[in-house]
Amino acid sequence: GIQVEQSPPDLILQEGANSTLRCNFSDSVNNLQWFHQNPWGQLINLFYIPSGTKQNGRLSATTVATERYSLLYISSSQTTDSGVYFCAVAMEYGNKLVFGAGTILRVKS
Amino acid sequence: NAGVTQTPKFQVLKTGQSMTLQCAQDMNHNSMYWYRQDPGMGLRLIYYSASEGTTDKGEVPNGYNVSRLNKREFSLRLESAAPSQTSVYFCASRVGAGYTFGSGTRLTVV
Repeated sequence: GIQVEQSPPDLILQEGANSTLRCNFSDSVNNLQWFHQNPWGQLINLFYIPSGTKQNGRLSATTVATERYSLLYISSSQTTDSGVYFCAVAMEYGNKLVFGAGTILRVKS
Repeated sequence: NAGVTQTPKFQVLKTGQSMTLQCAQDMNHNSMYWYRQDPGMGLRLIYYSASEGTTDKGEVPNGYNVSRLNKREFSLRLESAAPSQTSVYFCASRVGAGYTFGSGTRLTVV
């Protein structure tokens, strides 16, 4: 099956710093999403981005489908950005998302 | 509030006991999913249901059964719990590319 690798596994930032999270995947996909799991366990969908670039406030994401990777940028990080960031992909639109192991982000004030 | 509701939030079972995890959504979504989350492994798909009356296996279905009772409800059953099933279980529903996850059930099997 498709493999999803995320890096780095762990990241500690000072509040206000910027960061880039990476997601590599092993096969062509029609669906790629980024999720944030907050410290209380709730999963929130951040981006649906099988290709191209999107921005939402301080967060943006870019997927280069031909090279099989996606990047999530967090600018001017805040303590509320802490949690786990997951990349998830599917070879078909919608169904059977395969998740990476996640990047644990800790933002210190 | 609209969303995905999971019950219970916490459960401790003894090895060999059975239980059903409940999930209900009120967004009229056709597709529903059960995932488990283990440390360092992300989320893995157990079963999913593309529409009412249909279910299909995911990546890790062994030891589980599901029922799509109606469009709103999708339950996950452990017939004989094992310590390897200690995990956090998430239910999700989907419309288009948008997934909505429940708040999870933390299950411990001793």
